[in-house]
Amino acid sequence: AQSVTQPDIHITVSEGASLELRCNYSYGATPYLFWYVQSPGQGLQLLLKYFSGDTLVQGIKGFEAEFKRSQSSFNLRKPSVHWSDAAEYFCAVGLRGSQGNLIFGKGTKLSVKP
Amino acid sequence: ETGVTQTPRHLVMGMTNKKSLKCEQHLGHNAMYWYKQSAKKPLELMFVYNFKEQTENNSVPSRFSPECPNSSHLFLHLHTLQPEDSALYLCASSKDKMGTEAFFGQGTRLTVV
Repeated sequence: AQSVTQPDIHITVSEGASLELRCNYSYGATPYLFWYVQSPGQGLQLLLKYFSGDTLVQGIKGFEAEFKRSQSSFNLRKPSVHWSDAAEYFCAVGLRGSQGNLIFGKGTKLSVKP
Repeated sequence: ETGVTQTPRHLVMGMTNKKSLKCEQHLGHNAMYWYKQSAKKPLELMFVYNFKEQTENNSVPSRFSPECPNSSHLFLHLHTLQPEDSALYLCASSKDKMGTEAFFGQGTRLTVV
């Protein structure tokens, strides 16, 4: 069965430090890949997406993600974290084809310390 | 403004009440979804509608009843809920059901007492 794994439940980084959130997926073909962010009590906002082409994807708020087919990974990165980045981050895969609902990981909660 | 609007934002209801959650999208999308988000659990897909037709029901109890009168509106009718149904209910829409990006509303925080 298809699955999405976010191995880190909670990460704390210092403001200004770099960030990498991990995401691995299990699927026989290359899916569509997404990262969403959720602030407390809010809905999910799309940060970036990968459909095809360049494996390094730029998103909003200074985030980027790199698709690595050999590792079935789509890790999210930001060179310098701001306090406002504290939120929960969800990786998701969309399965190409007619049954393509999004499958979400369990999320990684990011805390930012001053 | 996400293009997907959910009302109400917060709802407290008793176990014998009947209430409805509303979702509206102005994005011209054809697919709409209900998700349930509970504490410490992954997002659970509940229902999928594509061109107003329900295409997926992920073993959701009958006390949750969806309705999609047109491609822009989606409702979730609630009756005889249990305390464990307390959660954030998220509505989303997408252009089609082909695994492309979904746009989410801000959710309804439901508390069943």
